[in-house]
Amino acid sequence: QSVLTQPPSASGTPGQRVTISCSGSSSNIGSNTVNWYQQLPGTAPKLLIFRNNQRPSGVPDRFSGSKSGTSASLAISGLQSEDEADYYCAAWDDSLNGWVFGGGTKLTVL
Amino acid sequence: EVQLLESGGGVVQPGGSLRLSCAASGFTFSSYAMSWVRQAPGKGLEWVSTISGSGGSTYYADSVKGRFTISRDNSKNTLYLQMDSLRAGDTAIYFCAKNFYHSGNYPVDWFDPWGQGTLVTVSS
Repeated sequence: QSVLTQPPSASGTPGQRVTISCSGSSSNIGSNTVNWYQQLPGTAPKLLIFRNNQRPSGVPDRFSGSKSGTSASLAISGLQSEDEADYYCAAWDDSLNGWVFGGGTKLTVL
Repeated sequence: EVQLLESGGGVVQPGGSLRLSCAASGFTFSSYAMSWVRQAPGKGLEWVSTISGSGGSTYYADSVKGRFTISRDNSKNTLYLQMDSLRAGDTAIYFCAKNFYHSGNYPVDWFDPWGQGTLVTVSS
């Protein structure tokens, strides 16, 4: 049971917009920033979004992040086949004094 | 280019020990906190431990506290994870990752980049 809650799966067709939610509590998302990681099949995780809505250099602007209260969302517009991957949200938890991850969302491009 | 290369994984019996290493290059190693994150087969990511840039502060997940020890040798640009009293539930790929900050800013910190991981299998 992960501290942050994500839907286990999401899907969309090429060109569509999909969103992935991440729900937490006041001790993590409610008081700290949220990061998103993308894990392509068989590879290490890669930073996708940091500080709620910032994109690292090289990440397409099709990817965007937002946060409101104790929840966060990752949006992917103009869906492409290469976006098929697992996506994880993460945040520092003040009560646990450590990072917590969501259980991950497997995105399928139909 | 920042590179992180883990090593030391393998098969170990329950109750045994293993030490993982993560060789870093391409940045001033002592200026950044470093972390270990693991992923059990077919499962999600789980944060394991973080150490500040100087090595003076360490943090552990409850699941490994008292059994695992994180350390670093800044003269060798290497991060370590000493794993003792290993259990079947510790079977996972262990990734090392570079934090953005040196220390103390963990509530607004993130992991980037990650190494390719090393597999630890605890089995009799």
